[in-house]
Amino acid sequence: DVVLTQSPLSLPVTLGQPASISCRSSQSLVNSDGSIFLSWFHQKPGQSPRRLIYMISNRDSGVPDRFSGSGSGTDFTLKISRVEAEDFGVYYCLQATHWPWTFGQGTKVEIK
Amino acid sequence: EVELVESGGGVVQPGGSLRLSCAVSGFMFSNYWMKWVRHVPGKGLDWVANIRPDGSEGYYMESVKGRFTISRDNARNLLFLQMNSLRGEDTAVYYCVRDYRDLPMTNWGRGVPVTVS
Repeated sequence: DVVLTQSPLSLPVTLGQPASISCRSSQSLVNSDGSIFLSWFHQKPGQSPRRLIYMISNRDSGVPDRFSGSGSGTDFTLKISRVEAEDFGVYYCLQATHWPWTFGQGTKVEIK
Repeated sequence: EVELVESGGGVVQPGGSLRLSCAVSGFMFSNYWMKWVRHVPGKGLDWVANIRPDGSEGYYMESVKGRFTISRDNARNLLFLQMNSLRGEDTAVYYCVRDYRDLPMTNWGRGVPVTVS
């Protein structure tokens, strides 16, 4: 199975400051047709996960533009340009290129 | 509006069984792959099982193979997860999830807790 390794696992952030989360894959996530199915999800306590980003860098509808995704091959990054209070919670990357689909361990973003 | 509503969770002893249901609305259920994903307390997310749109075949994570069965009733817009021989490590919140075309895990239910103790 593909292993996704996120870092850091805990990220204390100051409101208004940027934040960055890394997701590294144990193997390339490039599909046979060249697509890369790497998504990012955000989960707040007691809530369902919500997808923020799909296919590396595409924001889902309603996701603020302070969120951006980048990367290629095996290394991917989620960036928040200016952290707001509603951004706390756990962030997960998901790869859907190889079966079975797998998640990273999660990064807990805490507001300082 | 897409809606997924899980039910059937609860507390069960090790070795017991539970059947989760997910009632869906707001989309043509019979056209989509569906899945169950779980969130283990204090840990991360795990994909548990998938089922084809026509219900002909299900796919499972290794640790639940032979114990869990995913099924669906397209006439009633219902997704199921039959969980047998439950173990402590199956304790989690279980989510009913829909993929949308090539976009994985687009819609999630609110989740239903399962406690094996």
